[in-house]
Amino acid sequence: DTGVSQNPRHKITKRGQNVTFRCDPISEHNRLYWYRQTLGQGPEFLTYFQNEAQLEKSRLLSDRFSAERPKGSFSTLEIQRTEQGDSAMYLCASSLGHGSDTQYFGPGTRLTVL
Amino acid sequence: ILNVEQSPQSLHVQEGDSTNFTCSFPSSNFYALHWYRWETAKSPEALFVMTLNGDEKKKGRISATLNTKEGYSYLYIKGSQPEDSATYLCAFQSTADSWGKLQFGAGTQVVVTP
Repeated sequence: DTGVSQNPRHKITKRGQNVTFRCDPISEHNRLYWYRQTLGQGPEFLTYFQNEAQLEKSRLLSDRFSAERPKGSFSTLEIQRTEQGDSAMYLCASSLGHGSDTQYFGPGTRLTVL
Repeated sequence: ILNVEQSPQSLHVQEGDSTNFTCSFPSSNFYALHWYRWETAKSPEALFVMTLNGDEKKKGRISATLNTKEGYSYLYIKGSQPEDSATYLCAFQSTADSWGKLQFGAGTQVVVTP
């Protein structure tokens, strides 16, 4: 399977704990995006990487959130001191890198904060 | 329209019937309009990327039209089948976000009953 993969698919954690999600994009794609979807809403943009450089961050991304893409390959999204409001589906997408290119999404990581 | 809106929120269709639904988006600073199909527990699947006013795209029994001047796109499903049951998302891309940020609507949930 050469699509976008995300791990874990589900994560249940207690409030205050740290969590980390991983995204493996399609191998030749140099652009990688993170989105978050909460119940009843469409996905909302969080952050964007071109190769290893994080070029854009949404105001939704508080200082408890950090994302990395070492060597321009896989990416990780870490949430520190989780809050119940962080419960959501976290989606990763990748694209080749031309403006209106199709973004290919992974299946997401469903986070539940108790 | 300042945000991306989809209507209806949900619809039930009898197998074999055709249906359509709407995505409304800002009529200024248009760059691209993306359509996705998202089945439960799967990755959102890219259907179309539309960039020109008057664009019409087709994939099997699904087609879409685009009117950038008035800010709307229609998605049509001809002869609905149970496997068409999914949430259909549209995403607006503005000229300011030509690098890739997508602004999603909340989706139209389609249920096709045999």
